[in-house]
Amino acid sequence: EAGVTQFPSHSVIEKGQTVTLRCDPISGHDNLYWYRRVMGKEIKFLLHFVKESKQDESGMPNNRFLAERTGGTYSTLKVQPAELEDSGVYFCASRGTGRSPLHFGNGTRLTVT
Amino acid sequence: GDSVTQMEGPVTLSEEAFLTINCTYTATGYPSLFWYVQYPGEGLQLLLKATKADDKGSNKGFEATYRKETTSFHLEKGSVQVSDSAVYFCALRIDGGYQKVTFGTGTKLQVIP
Repeated sequence: EAGVTQFPSHSVIEKGQTVTLRCDPISGHDNLYWYRRVMGKEIKFLLHFVKESKQDESGMPNNRFLAERTGGTYSTLKVQPAELEDSGVYFCASRGTGRSPLHFGNGTRLTVT
Repeated sequence: GDSVTQMEGPVTLSEEAFLTINCTYTATGYPSLFWYVQYPGEGLQLLLKATKADDKGSNKGFEATYRKETTSFHLEKGSVQVSDSAVYFCALRIDGGYQKVTFGTGTKLQVIP
C-alpha cells in the first residue's frame, strides 16, 4: 500500500507570505494528525482529524494556521501570514482504527526568511 | 500533562560500540511507549514499542524495556553500525480516547567507521 505522502518536501517563503502544505494519508485511514518539529526541539502535536472533523486542535499555535480535510481524504495546512518562528518540519501521520500504529509521512521542511 | 524527556544529543559513536539513549516519561494515565527513528531524508518510522510494564520491545538489534518503577524506556543496542545514524525519538501514547502521541526532543546519533 502507498504510505503517507506530503507535498512539498521543502518550501522556502518570505515572512508575510502564505504557504499551503498537503498530506495524503493511507487510503482508508480515518485518523489524520499534523505534528511540527521546530529548531531541533520535540515533535509537537498540532491537531487531529477523524474523517473530516477536527477532534483536537489544541496544539495549533495561533489563528495564522488553518487545517482542513474536506471529504475526509487529504488534508491541507495553511499558514497565513507566515512568520520566522513557523520554520520547521511539519509531519503528517495517519492511523486506522483501534490501536493501529501511526504511519508518518516524510515531512515538509518549511523555511521562512 | 504528559511529557517525554530524552538525553541531549548529538551522540557520536564508533562502529560496533554499545549504544544507550535514555528516555523517561511523565504520564497521567498508563501509556504505551515507543521509539521512532528518522533516517536522513526520510520520515519517522516506528522502531519498537512496549504496551505494558516489563515488556521489552525489540527490532533491528535495538531493545527497550518498559520500566514503570523508574518511568523509563531506555533504548539500547549492543553493536551499532554506520547505517544506524539517524535521529531517535522516544514517545508515549495514552490508549483510549484519540490516542495522541507525545514525543521527546529527539537524539541524533552519528556512527563513524
